[in-house]
This record gives sequence, structure tokens and C-alpha cells, in this order.
Amino acid sequence: GDSVTQMEGPVTLSEEAFLTINCTYTATGYPSLFWYVQYPGEGLQLLLKATKADDKGSNKGFEATYRKETTSFHLEKGSVQVSDSAVYFCALRWKTSYDKVIFGPGTSLSVIP
Amino acid sequence: DTAVSQTPKYLVTQMGNDKSIKCEQNLGHDTMYWYKQDSKKFLKIMFSYNNKELIINETVPNRFSPKSPDKAHLNLHINSLELGDSAVYFCASSQDTGRTLAYGYTFGSGTRLTVV
Repeated sequence: GDSVTQMEGPVTLSEEAFLTINCTYTATGYPSLFWYVQYPGEGLQLLLKATKADDKGSNKGFEATYRKETTSFHLEKGSVQVSDSAVYFCALRWKTSYDKVIFGPGTSLSVIP
Repeated sequence: DTAVSQTPKYLVTQMGNDKSIKCEQNLGHDTMYWYKQDSKKFLKIMFSYNNKELIINETVPNRFSPKSPDKAHLNLHINSLELGDSAVYFCASSQDTGRTLAYGYTFGSGTRLTVV
């Protein structure tokens, strides 16, 4: 069935370290891919997206590239800050008879000074 | 200016009670959703409405009943609350996908429900 797999957390990094959060998916059809971020006590916010193969989404220093051949959408940031501490969700959206979205289980990131 | 607003933000209630959570969006979106987030942050879709019409009704107890009086509002009523209903409930909205899947969701800030 359709699914999203993310690397398990929690991930703990020092400030200015390089971040990668892996996301792979299985889906029928041709989905759009998204990363959402949830800061403590808040709702999810759309971080970035990509709608077709080889598209790169980017926002706030985060990037992810839609890799159809490996069915992946890994999130990267070159230098994390304490303020990036949050839970990150990979998601895919596609349409069959109706609109379908699946969220990954989330990866918790803690950045320490 | 809040795009998707939920009330209340916190709700503490006793087992067996009936409660409602309200959601409103001012984005002009056609589709609204209710999600349940458990203590491990896992998100589960509960319901989806498109222009006041129920689209998705996942396997949730029939004690949960959504109501959409208009496309800007989607409320969630819960009867006979149980301990296992304790979670954070998120409302979200989205532009109708139509031919494109490019739209993301806009989430509310959540309602933390605690059943004691």
C-alpha cells in the first residue's frame, strides 16, 4: 500500500551541523511531495514542496529534491540553528477518486548550542 | 488574521461527557480536514469535507461526528468521551486540488483534549 517512511528520531545535532532527514515513499500514481515542520505547541507548517521529478523545494535554508528513481525526498540543511528544533514530517499528496495525503511518522530534531 | 483558527486550545473533561471543537478558516479554501495526533506525534486523518460534503470518513468511532455548516467552518463533536480520546486534534484546510496536487495544507494550532 501507499506509505511514507522517515528516519527515526530523535535526532540531536550541534548548532551549525549539517542536517539530513531521510524520507522514502511508495505510492500509486505520481504524487506531490511535501515537508512540514511542527514547532513545540504549534500546528504543522508547510516548509517546502516539489511536484515533479527532479524538482527541488527550498525554504529557510532547507532543501529537498524529488527523486523518482529512488522514491525519496530527503530534507537537508547546511547549518542548523537552535531555532530549527522541531518535528519534521514528510508527506505525499495524490489523487485517485479523491484527494489523498499521507504523512510520515515525523522526525524530532533537537539542536543544541 | 489567523488563517485557520480552532477553539478551544485546551479542553479538559471527564469521561462520558460530550464536547465540541470548532474550526474556521478565512483562506477561501474548499476542503477542510480533522486530524488526530497521538502522544508519539503520529497524525491520523479522521474526516475531510469539500464544500460542505463529506469526502473522507476514516475508521473512527461513530461517537465522533463532524459538521460543516458552510465551507469556512468544520466542527467536531465527540460524544461519550473516553480516556483514549486524549490527543491533540488539528483542523486543516486546503485549496481544491482540481488538476494540480501542488497545494499544501494550512493547519490550525491544535486543540489538546485531555479526558480524565
